[in-house]
This record gives sequence, C-alpha cells and structure tokens, in this order.
Amino acid sequence: KAGVTQTPRYLIKTRGQQVTLSCSPISGHRSVSWYQQTPGQGLQFLFEYFSETQRNKGNFPGRFSGRQFSNSRSEMNVSTLELGDSALYLCASSWRELDTGELFFGEGSRLTVL
Amino acid sequence: DAKTTQPPSMDCAEGRAANLPCNHSTISGNEYVYWYRQIHSQGPQYIIHGLKNNETNEMASLIITEDRKSSTLILPHATLRDTAVYYCIGNAGGYQKVTFGTGTKLQVIP
Repeated sequence: KAGVTQTPRYLIKTRGQQVTLSCSPISGHRSVSWYQQTPGQGLQFLFEYFSETQRNKGNFPGRFSGRQFSNSRSEMNVSTLELGDSALYLCASSWRELDTGELFFGEGSRLTVL
Repeated sequence: DAKTTQPPSMDCAEGRAANLPCNHSTISGNEYVYWYRQIHSQGPQYIIHGLKNNETNEMASLIITEDRKSSTLILPHATLRDTAVYYCIGNAGGYQKVTFGTGTKLQVIP
C-alpha cells in the first residue's frame, strides 16, 4: 500500500512570504502529526490532527498552523516566513486510537527561506 | 510524554553489535518505548517497540530494564547501511503528544 506522501518535496521562498505543505497519510490512518527538523535541533513536534481536530500543539508561534480534511489529508501553513523557518518538515500518520501508536513518516518537504 | 536522553554519537565497527542506550526515567506505565532511525534527512523509519518485555524482530533487539527507566537497542551485526541517527521515544498511542529528542548518531566504521 502507498506510504505517507508529502508535497512539495523541495521549495524555496523569500522572507515574508507564506507556504502551504501537504501530507497524504496512509489509507485508514486518521492521525497526522507534523514535525520541524533543523540542524542540531532534532525533530520538534509542531501539531497533531485526528479526525479533523487539532489534538496537540507544540511550542511554535501562531505563524504555524494546520488543518485536516475529512479524508485525513493534512496541510500545514507558515505565514510571514523567517530565515529560521528553513527546515525539513516531516509529517507522520498513525492509527492513533490504538495503543501502539506506531508512526509512519513521509520523506519530508525541505523548505529554504531566502 | 516521556523525556528521553541519548548519547549524541557512537561508533561501531562493521560486523559488530551496536548497543544504543536510552534513558527514559519519566516514562509512564502505559507508554511504549519506540525506536526509530533516520538516514540522512529521509523520513524516520520504525525499528522496534516494547512495553515491558524484551523484543526482537528482523532488524534489532530491544532490552528494557525491569524498572522501565532505560532501554538498549541492539543491532546484532552492524553494517554500513546502519549509519543513521537513532531516536528513542515514549509513545502511549491515544492522543498524547510524541516528543523526539536529538537522538544518537551512529557511525558504522568499515
């Protein structure tokens, strides 16, 4: 079966612009979570959506937002981009309602802000 | 969500066992210990998980201490392709936030 798909894989933006990233989870998964990865920072949790509701949110400014659609696909948006937003953005899907909670990651969207 | 502590880096000779430790002293009783690895900016890949008992699969073995405050991931015969950053996390499933740390960068040396 198809894995987690993230689009676009690479993109370049300039400061002040906004960006929207998309994540299609594995079929049947209703939870999608987003992570930001920068050199030296590891994977930092952004937020998680389950059945179109945001369940958890990490410590990121309000410029970072997301949503989930009825088909479980998710988008995240970053407004007023800053140089520090340059990162690999990863999305993961899972059957969160089960006890195991294994995460399946996509290949990420690499954002460069100039 | 459990906070985990891992050494930042380790080396292992090719063909030898790689033993990667993780401290998770704040893990709660219903949180599984999960291990993932990330190979050069690809998406992290699931390796193994366990709750109380030791676990083994085709990739690795997981040894969890009886008090569940720490665990060790064992790659029995490390290869160059095992060079990656390894993360251990606590995950109870359900609706709890999952927190990754900075992981251990394992370098397998020929």
